[in-house]
Amino acid sequence: AQSVTQPDIHITVSEGASLELRCNYSYGATPYLFWYVQSPGQGLQLLLKYFSGDTLVQGIKGFEAEFKRSQSSFNLRKPSVHWSDAAEYFCAVDPYGGSQGNLIFGKGTKLSVKP
Amino acid sequence: KAGVTQTPRYLIKTRGQQVTLSCSPISGHRSVSWYQQTPGQGLQFLFEYFSETQRNKGNFPGRFSGRQFSNSRSEMNVSTLELGDSALYLCASSSDNAYEQYFGPGTRLTVT
Repeated sequence: AQSVTQPDIHITVSEGASLELRCNYSYGATPYLFWYVQSPGQGLQLLLKYFSGDTLVQGIKGFEAEFKRSQSSFNLRKPSVHWSDAAEYFCAVDPYGGSQGNLIFGKGTKLSVKP
Repeated sequence: KAGVTQTPRYLIKTRGQQVTLSCSPISGHRSVSWYQQTPGQGLQFLFEYFSETQRNKGNFPGRFSGRQFSNSRSEMNVSTLELGDSALYLCASSSDNAYEQYFGPGTRLTVT
């Protein structure tokens, strides 16, 4: 079955430490890939996206993600975490190339930041 | 450019009632998608509209319906509300030639 897996439900990192959030997907072709962030009680904000080309993509707020076709992964990274990064992060996949408005989301990873 | 707006932001309804939620997309965006977010099921796709036509529908019962107007604003309706319909309902819009979706702040629906 088509799915998006975020294996870590909750991660705690110290402020200033590096961060990597994992995302794996199971689709036959390379889908369009996204990372979103959600603060409590808020909607989703797009951090970055991958459609094709360079497998390392840069996003907002200092985030980057790397697409690895061989591992069906699209992991999100940040070299130095700030307290304001505490939020929930969602990996999403569009298996239809934007033609049907249907994103498949992972269950999310909640990030806590220690001072 | 203004973002996606959703009204109302909070809503409390009683089981058996119906509810209508509204979404105004980013100016120029013709695609509007709706999602339900719950702690147990996460984010699930409800349906998507483009130029007043439903192009895609998720796996939800017929009590969930939607429509889109000529100005691209969209509404979703839930009839015969159940306790399990309590959720954050998110609307997202995208432009014709871009594939990313931009989300509104959501409507928090509580069914008692």
